[in-house]
Amino acid sequence: DTEVTQTPKHLVMGMTNKKSLKCEQHMGHRAMYWYKQKAKKPPELMFVYSYEKLSINESVPSRFSPECPNSSLLNLHLHALQPEDSALYLCASSQFYKAGEAMSSYEQYFGPGTRLTVT
Amino acid sequence: QQPVQSPQAVILREGEDAVINCSSSKALYSVHWYRQKHGEAPIFLMILLKGGEQKGHDKISASFNEKKQQSSLYLTASQLSYSGTYFCGTDGRMDSSYKLIFGSGTRLLVRP
Repeated sequence: DTEVTQTPKHLVMGMTNKKSLKCEQHMGHRAMYWYKQKAKKPPELMFVYSYEKLSINESVPSRFSPECPNSSLLNLHLHALQPEDSALYLCASSQFYKAGEAMSSYEQYFGPGTRLTVT
Repeated sequence: QQPVQSPQAVILREGEDAVINCSSSKALYSVHWYRQKHGEAPIFLMILLKGGEQKGHDKISASFNEKKQQSSLYLTASQLSYSGTYFCGTDGRMDSSYKLIFGSGTRLLVRP
């Protein structure tokens, strides 16, 4: 199974709402990522989790709160978003090297994304 | 810094060849290539690692010049299915963290 699933596919929320995006993979990958993608732009990295620990936060506003409950799941909690946060949110996963192993670079598998609209 | 891709867009007839370039201002550990069709997720194409190792599973080929911090993706005998936006992703590996920075993309349209 080389699939990354994301729910919901579409989400419309008001600026005072609280919602969550979910991502799941069963490939045994120990790195998971959240990206934000605006129309006709490349994916922009938001967060990286490696071995269920947050390893990279690309200075994302605190209204976005990631969570990695276990090695297969990744959530993105949303609160008090702004209209400019409307975008496609992509989740991805990849293998990750273990401590003591030689570093390498692994392909990322992307989910279909959640299309978020903030009104 | 975001890698620079060229060209920004290209239109081909089926069967024609194309080259997409990716250039970074930083030393690179690896370069990834992905293709994204409209409304879909990016799909992995190739990884080129520092030291020359190349990973990929498609008929599309690529090169990586570490000294020049550049990579090129070669699409030969293009098929209609090659249409989409191609992104390179660069892994600078400045520390132990691992992240990709994607280029601005190259939009490819293959016509019958």
